[in-house]
Amino acid sequence: EPEVTQTPSHQVTQMGQEVILRCVPISNHLYFYWYRQILGQKVEFLVSFYNNEISEKSEIFDDQFSVERPDGSNFTLKIRSTKLEDSAMYFCASGSLGYNEAFFGQGTRLTVV
Amino acid sequence: SQQGEEDPQALSIQEGENATMNCSYKTSINNLQWYRQNSGRGLVHLILIRSNEREKHSGRLRVTLDTSKKSSSLLITASRAADTASYFCATEPNTGGFKTIFGAGTRLFVKA
Repeated sequence: EPEVTQTPSHQVTQMGQEVILRCVPISNHLYFYWYRQILGQKVEFLVSFYNNEISEKSEIFDDQFSVERPDGSNFTLKIRSTKLEDSAMYFCASGSLGYNEAFFGQGTRLTVV
Repeated sequence: SQQGEEDPQALSIQEGENATMNCSYKTSINNLQWYRQNSGRGLVHLILIRSNEREKHSGRLRVTLDTSKKSSSLLITASRAADTASYFCATEPNTGGFKTIFGAGTRLFVKA
């Protein structure tokens, strides 16, 4: 069964460093999303991406964040200068249509030290 | 309160009993979805109900949606220990963009 794949599963980075979280969405999907979940808290929407551009983004998704679909298969989230409060589980999701279910990856646990 | 609030926050039941979780939301929606998350793991999509639907079934799951009350419920019948997880409702607001807003979740514990 097709699935969304995220790498790495766990990343530890120094405060101030740049990180890139990688996702391979399901191959025929057109809508891509990033969410994050701080430990013990709710899942928060970061950004949605469609037709090679950001469709919608939350207040969390500030200038430190960017997304890219560099080729036909990968979807990346970049955090330019990480802060301690960026420590969270980051989930990528993809969907075939905009108002249908999104399928989530297993997440990347980002720890900023 | 925020879009997508579940109650109860935690629920503990015996195996074989039914579990009911509720969700309320604030804005107009295109659809409402329920997800399950095992501790520290990814989100598993359970069921989607559209704004023009009132009830939907999938196996042991039954979801209702009342758009006039802006609320939904998830019923798990004949619960099993393996159903132990956190359950989230997630709404797709009718704002024209593509995003899903998650609630804080209900932590379900099914005792064997």
